[in-house]
Amino acid sequence: GAVVSQHPSRVICKSGTSVKIECRSLDFQATTMFWYRQFPKQSLMLMATSNEGSKATYEQGVEKDKFLINHASLTLSTLTVTSAHPEDSSFYICSARDLASGANVLTFGAGSRLTVL
Amino acid sequence: AQSVTQLGSHVSVSEGALVLLRCNYSSSVPPYLFWYVQYPNQGLQLLLKYTTGATLVKGINGFEAEFKKSETSFHLTKPSAHMSDAAEYFCAVSVYAGGTSYGKLTFGQGTILTVHP
Repeated sequence: GAVVSQHPSRVICKSGTSVKIECRSLDFQATTMFWYRQFPKQSLMLMATSNEGSKATYEQGVEKDKFLINHASLTLSTLTVTSAHPEDSSFYICSARDLASGANVLTFGAGSRLTVL
Repeated sequence: AQSVTQLGSHVSVSEGALVLLRCNYSSSVPPYLFWYVQYPNQGLQLLLKYTTGATLVKGINGFEAEFKKSETSFHLTKPSAHMSDAAEYFCAVSVYAGGTSYGKLTFGQGTILTVHP
């Protein structure tokens, strides 16, 4: 089945630094990937839709200059948290849809836990 | 816009007992409905989905859900709980509104299932 890989699974950084999280579709091509954020004991909130070869579409209230998304190929999307602050600490999860499957089913990565000190 | 409400943030059952996790949705167009399971510090795994056709949907690990349009519900059940079922469960809805909205999920707030020996 479709597999989505995220890296790193855990990252700790100092306040003010930038952190990049990668999301890869391992055995399928994904023109669209989705980035979600999950706070402790809360649900997943969609941050943005990553579109291959074009700009990402951000949800209302998400700062596009803070959460930079690049979808340079059909198998890779990256989320960069710029000038990270402790309030950015969260669990970030990406997902992608296998177009070839013909079904509206998203495959999720295992998530990346960001801790900003 | 669509929304999902999961009734009960915590559900506790005994091993071998019936599992019932409630989900109600709101959507102005025919929805696609999903149940996902999340284990601690992991991504989401699809349990089952409803798109069209049969309203009783069977998924992995013995779970099933029934789409009831008149009640706008998609409750998740399992006849006999196992200890390994302990996890957090998310109901989600998706609608196709053209373009890259296909695959965009709105999640409920999640229900933590505890299974007692």
